[in-house]
Amino acid sequence: QVQLQESGPGLVKPSQTLSLICTVSGGSISGGSYWWSWIRQTAERGLEWIGRIDDSGSTNYNPSLESRVTLSVDTSRDQLSLRLNSVTAADTAVYYCAREVFVMLRGVVVSSFDNWGQGTLVTVSS
Amino acid sequence: DIQMTQSPSSLSASVGDRVTITCRSSQSISSYLNWYKQKPGKAPQLLIYAASSLQIGVPSRFSGSGSGTDFTLTISTLQPEDFATYYCQQSFIHGTFGPGTRVEI
Repeated sequence: QVQLQESGPGLVKPSQTLSLICTVSGGSISGGSYWWSWIRQTAERGLEWIGRIDDSGSTNYNPSLESRVTLSVDTSRDQLSLRLNSVTAADTAVYYCAREVFVMLRGVVVSSFDNWGQGTLVTVSS
Repeated sequence: DIQMTQSPSSLSASVGDRVTITCRSSQSISSYLNWYKQKPGKAPQLLIYAASSLQIGVPSRFSGSGSGTDFTLTISTLQPEDFATYYCQQSFIHGTFGPGTRVEI
């Protein structure tokens, strides 16, 4: 059973960079038909997809965050990382990493987030 | 951007009730629609993928239907553990979530 665990500072100052790590255990980041996403959640905006990365380092980003986000992957450590720069109070959220699985169904490839980390709260405050 | 809406935003129900939640997308997404359940303090859990396929391990009282822009999640007989917030998510272009439907007593 694959498990995902987010880690990183719980408090970040405004204008600084938020950095989080997601460690994958019980399985490997490599070798499967998966992408790995970061998703955040606030009471005001709900669940917001930030971006995703595959084991080769290919990325897709939410256009609304693309200018501030960098995702990377370390397959030797089975770790993903998220960097979000120039943070403001609006970036205060619970941050999740999640595995995106792809399935061929009725001739079409569909995807869903089938495995999530427990989430980590990051507060942006001075 | 594809926008997702859900109705109702919350509902009150009792154990044993049949519950239906609706999700609508701002443009056609075929069957690229997933449903998740979230309990307070926990991560979302996948229930239904591709609009109507039940995720492994999810009870059969959960079902999904729809295609195009209109989708439905049905809980046939509500159980105590089903009181939670439910989210739809489109996977047609990246991933946008609906605002959620809270199912409460």
